Amino acid sequence: QVTLKESGPALVKPTQTLTLTCTFSGFSLSSTGVRVSWIRQPPGKALEWLARIDWDDDKFYSTSLKTRLTISKDTSKNQVVLTMTNMDPVDTATYYCARIGRSTSWFDYWGQGTLVTVSS
Amino acid sequence: SYELTQPPSVSVSPGQTASITCSGDKLGDKFVCWYQQKPGQSPVLVIYQDNRRPSGIPERFSGSNSANTATLTISGTQAMDEADYYCQAWDISINYVFGSGTRVTVL
Repeated sequence: QVTLKESGPALVKPTQTLTLTCTFSGFSLSSTGVRVSWIRQPPGKALEWLARIDWDDDKFYSTSLKTRLTISKDTSKNQVVLTMTNMDPVDTATYYCARIGRSTSWFDYWGQGTLVTVSS
Repeated sequence: SYELTQPPSVSVSPGQTASITCSGDKLGDKFVCWYQQKPGQSPVLVIYQDNRRPSGIPERFSGSNSANTATLTISGTQAMDEADYYCQAWDISINYVFGSGTRVTVL
């Protein structure tokens, strides 16, 4: 049974750095072809892809947010971490982590999401 | 940047067919998938690889993709299908792109 769960602060101040952790089970990020992504959704708005990390530690970022994002993994802990620097109120959103299956281009399992509010 | 455009809303009567379009440049050259998102819940994959259904998704959900438009069709729409629907495409040049989302209302 595949599960993912996001954790991190519910509130951050403008200019601060956000660190989110995705803890997953039911699969291994050391298995060939497995990938995990972060996706966000501002309240009432559409989904936006942020970043992806692969089983072989390849990393990919949204072009528009690339300079602010870092994705990493701890295979032994079954965790993927996303950091986003210089947070702004427009970054207020629900942040999801999701798995991408082997050799596929879709998100087959999603976490429950965590709402992050950026406010002073 | 690459964009996928969906109609903001679609209304359908129970038992009727709802069609949701997703438009993008040469979208037919890419694989498209669709997610259903109910209020307060995470997205759920309902169609992948243009027209394939994951295990557990009802047969009334189907998809197609050609030229510049992908379509999600819900046949015999039920009240439980009321939700937001997002298309999504990927290729090496655009990475992952989501559509603008369509709210399906079952009247």
